Amino acid sequence: NAGVTQTPKFQVLKTGQSMTLQCAQDMNHEYMSWYRQDPGMGLRLIHYSVGAGITDQGEVPNGYNVSRSTTEDFPLRLLSAAPSQTSVYFCASSYSGVDNSPLHFGNGTRLTVT
Amino acid sequence: AQSVTQLGSHVSVSEGALVLLRCNYSSSVPPYLFWYVQYPNQGLQLLLKYTTGATLVKGINGFEAEFKKSETSFHLTKPSAHMSDAAEYFCAANFGNEKLTFGTGTRLTIIP
Repeated sequence: NAGVTQTPKFQVLKTGQSMTLQCAQDMNHEYMSWYRQDPGMGLRLIHYSVGAGITDQGEVPNGYNVSRSTTEDFPLRLLSAAPSQTSVYFCASSYSGVDNSPLHFGNGTRLTVT
Repeated sequence: AQSVTQLGSHVSVSEGALVLLRCNYSSSVPPYLFWYVQYPNQGLQLLLKYTTGATLVKGINGFEAEFKKSETSFHLTKPSAHMSDAAEYFCAANFGNEKLTFGTGTRLTIIP
């Protein structure tokens, strides 16, 4: 049982480059989300999705795009990377939202933008 | 504004001592509350949650938390710390929307 799988584990980008962080879950979860974790700031929500075809912005959406074409996948796109986007990114999913269902987290992608 | 505050970014306790990690929320309506734990180089795992009902909630690994509406608090405790408890702990709240709001985290160090 793979759970939530994030790729890559590490990535170094130059300012202005683009990339996609991949997230896949095999638990048939409706809800998926992306967080960034920065020292002293906890986890901040970037984007989330309550089901295929539906996405919405979180607390810090600027500079990031998402799409949800299938239940399983929720990729996060950085169109033009900036040093401020250096962070650890976590994808998380839950069965039916965050009011009662626990979030299942991937192991993170550590991104450095130079 | 609705928020979650964790007092103390670093807490150190001796092995066998009481663990107390503090969490307060700001909201006119009590939210659903959660504690998550993060071990090095891993994602977060759910420790326990409070939604409705009994205000003392028991979780995994001997942890428990008590919801106190009058104090807007949801502090995490464990009677006797173990070396394996060393990790970062996050309090989180759902304020009735589709988002989970996290506190800034508390790093717990266990002194042998």
